[in-house]
Amino acid sequence: EVQLVESGGGLVQPGGSLRLSCAASGFTFSSYSMNWVRQAPGKGLEWVSYISSSSSVKYYADSVKGRFTISRDNAENSLYLQMNSLTAEDTAFYYCARDHTMVRGVLDYWGQGTLVTVSS
Amino acid sequence: DIQMTQSPSTLSASVGDRVTITCRASQTISSWLAWYQQKPGKAPKVLIYKASSLESGVPSRFSGSGSGTEFTLTISSLQPDDFATYYCQQYNNYPWTFGQGTKVEIK
Repeated sequence: EVQLVESGGGLVQPGGSLRLSCAASGFTFSSYSMNWVRQAPGKGLEWVSYISSSSSVKYYADSVKGRFTISRDNAENSLYLQMNSLTAEDTAFYYCARDHTMVRGVLDYWGQGTLVTVSS
Repeated sequence: DIQMTQSPSTLSASVGDRVTITCRASQTISSWLAWYQQKPGKAPKVLIYKASSLESGVPSRFSGSGSGTEFTLTISSLQPDDFATYYCQQYNNYPWTFGQGTKVEIK
């Protein structure tokens, strides 16, 4: 069974940093591209970042470019999101999501999300 | 960035109704469109990809159509489990972008 479990969320002050983790199991993690998607409470979905299976390709939304860094450790079956210079606009549930087996860009498995709250 | 616009934002319907949600892209995306269902407190679940391909395990009452800039998600006979929020997503160009969502409520 495919499982994605996020962790690392919490309350952080504006300007602070946080590192999210996503532990993957039930599939060959090293064969799949991965993504982070966020959702502000009560709002819609916003794609945040993408990383290819080998980490050779990374993409970011303009809203986080230069502040967030996506990475992965295929030996540990883990995905990460380093978030710096956080603002209130970054408050959201953060989901890790796997690229579809057959279709890049379609997100076929999602974690349960971890809440990041940026507030003083 | 490609803007995705869904209509309506909210839809009230009864069990058994045929429901259609529309998604428009600000520029052509061929058939690179997916639909997701999200229930409160849960992660989204993919229903349709490549505009009209049904994801494995998704009931056949869900269908998708369209290409270019106009797309629709149809639920042929609404079931109690279908009351949720639905999102379209384009994956033609980065950044991937989502519609604002359509909430399907009980009438």
